[in-house]
Amino acid sequence: QKEVEQNSGPLSVPEGAIASLNCTYSDRGSQSFFWYRQYSGKSPELIMSIYSNGDKEDGRFTAQLNKASQYVSLLIRDSQPSDSATYLCAVPNQAGTALIFGKGTTLSVSS
Amino acid sequence: GAGVSQSPSNKVTEKGKDVELRCDPISGHTALYWYRQSLGQGLEFLIYFQGNSAPDKSGLPSDRFSAERTGGSVSTLTIQRTQQEDSAVYLCASSLDAGGFYEQYFGPGTRLTVT
Repeated sequence: QKEVEQNSGPLSVPEGAIASLNCTYSDRGSQSFFWYRQYSGKSPELIMSIYSNGDKEDGRFTAQLNKASQYVSLLIRDSQPSDSATYLCAVPNQAGTALIFGKGTTLSVSS
Repeated sequence: GAGVSQSPSNKVTEKGKDVELRCDPISGHTALYWYRQSLGQGLEFLIYFQGNSAPDKSGLPSDRFSAERTGGSVSTLTIQRTQQEDSAVYLCASSLDAGGFYEQYFGPGTRLTVT
């Protein structure tokens, strides 16, 4: 069974700083990786997907994938209080029929 | 365009009653997934549908849980003889296609409370 591990946090950063969220996964064969943001009481919202080693940037968000080390990270530049949420890392299961989620890292951005 | 929709948004039921939860995926999305999230817990996969293929039911926690998808679109998750441990948020997601590479988009969820 694939596993996805995240530090539960909370990760606290001041407004304007870079927040770095990390995720490790157990299956070396995993090919696709997803980051979701979940505000309290809301459903997960897709932020980014990444499939290749290296960096992928979208606005203030950068996903970084290192398959050799089996980790994927999410950087949030110029963090805002509105970024305060739980961030979930996910990889597909072996059959490709579901996502396996980490338990999430709670980010708190203080103004 | 319209996202994934779910109904009802909240459901309170008595232990032992049956409940039905509905999901309407994004138009054109062929794959549909049900997950649940218990208080303070992670997201747990329940069941997956793709086109006319046999569903992956491997995540259903007991035979009290069942789901169907009619006409390749709307799906209904049914929980029979509800128990207090069934209290959770039930989330539906859809993706353009299946196979693990396609992004899944979640609906707002149904919060189920069993009293």
